[in-house]
Amino acid sequence: GESVGLHLPTLSVQEGDNSIINCAYSNSASDYFIWYKQESGKGPQFIIDIRSNMDKRQGQRVTVLLNKTVKHLSLQIAATQPGDSAVYFCAEVIPHAGKSTFGDGTTLTVKP
Amino acid sequence: DAGVIQSPRHEVTEMGQEVTLRCKPISGHNSLFWYRQTMMRGLELLIYFNNNVPIDDSGMPEDRFSAKMPNASFSTLKIQPSEPRDSAVYFCASSSSTYYGYTFGSGTRLTVV
Repeated sequence: GESVGLHLPTLSVQEGDNSIINCAYSNSASDYFIWYKQESGKGPQFIIDIRSNMDKRQGQRVTVLLNKTVKHLSLQIAATQPGDSAVYFCAEVIPHAGKSTFGDGTTLTVKP
Repeated sequence: DAGVIQSPRHEVTEMGQEVTLRCKPISGHNSLFWYRQTMMRGLELLIYFNNNVPIDDSGMPEDRFSAKMPNASFSTLKIQPSEPRDSAVYFCASSSSTYYGYTFGSGTRLTVV
């Protein structure tokens, strides 16, 4: 039968490999971007952010890249671990909007 | 800090009943957001408050939904009467600034039968 609901992009990686999760954002005026991680049964959790005057920002095992020309954001996770399995959301903020707009999310599965 | 606190964690109710979800934001955060998450629609913003004042309620699906923030430390989301299609996980989030990201609560899983 026909499936209903959002068809979230999925990414399956082997433990220890690097992961790259992509996000296309919608508004060229957005000036702040955030990645969230949502584990099963929990609320989304802030991972890392980047402002539009930057094109790269690094955290612990995570790096966010911003390409404003094509309105593309990516999250790189180094040495992916089973605990990284989750749904990852990108969010964009338009100046003076007072709120973030969330993407649909990508499901990351890490195979041991 | 205990983070954003939501109650109850789970709620099962019969169609037609009133449901009240509660949220305590992080102290000092001046923005509060209510989201609904379903498999069909993903994460939807229902309403948000800034300094206890509702700023944007365009995401509230129907008049059956209402939200209040009587003070800086408490907010409620009420559904009256509830319907099976309201079944979802409802999240509350707070922020000190949109440019610092949100802190989400653990959510309330609502099931309307």
